[in-house]
Amino acid sequence: DVKVTQSSRYLVKRTGEKVFLECVQDMDHENMFWYRQDPGLGLRLIYFSYDVKMKEKGDIPEGYSVSREKKERFSLILESASTNQTSMYLCASKPWQAMPADTEAFFGQGTRLTVV
Amino acid sequence: GEDVEQSLFLSVREGDSSVINCTYTDSSSTYLYWYKQEPGAGLQLLTYIFSNMDMKQDQRLTVLLNKKDKHLSLRIADTQTGDSAIYFCAETSGSARQLTFGSGTQLTVLP
Repeated sequence: DVKVTQSSRYLVKRTGEKVFLECVQDMDHENMFWYRQDPGLGLRLIYFSYDVKMKEKGDIPEGYSVSREKKERFSLILESASTNQTSMYLCASKPWQAMPADTEAFFGQGTRLTVV
Repeated sequence: GEDVEQSLFLSVREGDSSVINCTYTDSSSTYLYWYKQEPGAGLQLLTYIFSNMDMKQDQRLTVLLNKKDKHLSLRIADTQTGDSAIYFCAETSGSARQLTFGSGTQLTVLP
């Protein structure tokens, strides 16, 4: 089974702290994604990466950065956490989209981050 | 940007059919998906449909696609309490790697 593992289920941080959210996948997928999920807004894409050291901005990148030094690991960084970044963060991975069967994105369990 | 819209809530009685609707704006969408999120969990792919199809059936699930109206629906037959979850519609176009998600529909199954 494909596994996408997020390092923490729950996290509480103070305003202004630097926060690292880690995600690891074990299926050698090229593409990895960070979303945030807020009630009534669905999932919004923050950043994604299609290869090691490659990254692209999603719809809401402000206040975030990412790092992909190894293929299996994709980190989301909040440089200076703010209360409006309190949310559920979901990581996903997906193989390169070559065939219809390769279209599934696999999600981690999510990290619920509270910034106080 | 592209938009995917869903109603936020749906309640049905156990044993009835549920129909969750979704509209999208991207005419170049190639794959459309339904994901399920149970409480406290990540998203799990339920089914997907390629844009050259208009229907796909998988056990209790039926997906209907009206490409002209850019309307996608998910029908769950004989809905059970275990089907209570948030259901997300999502789409991607052939050239894009990322998925665009709707807001999610909270399905509540009443006994």
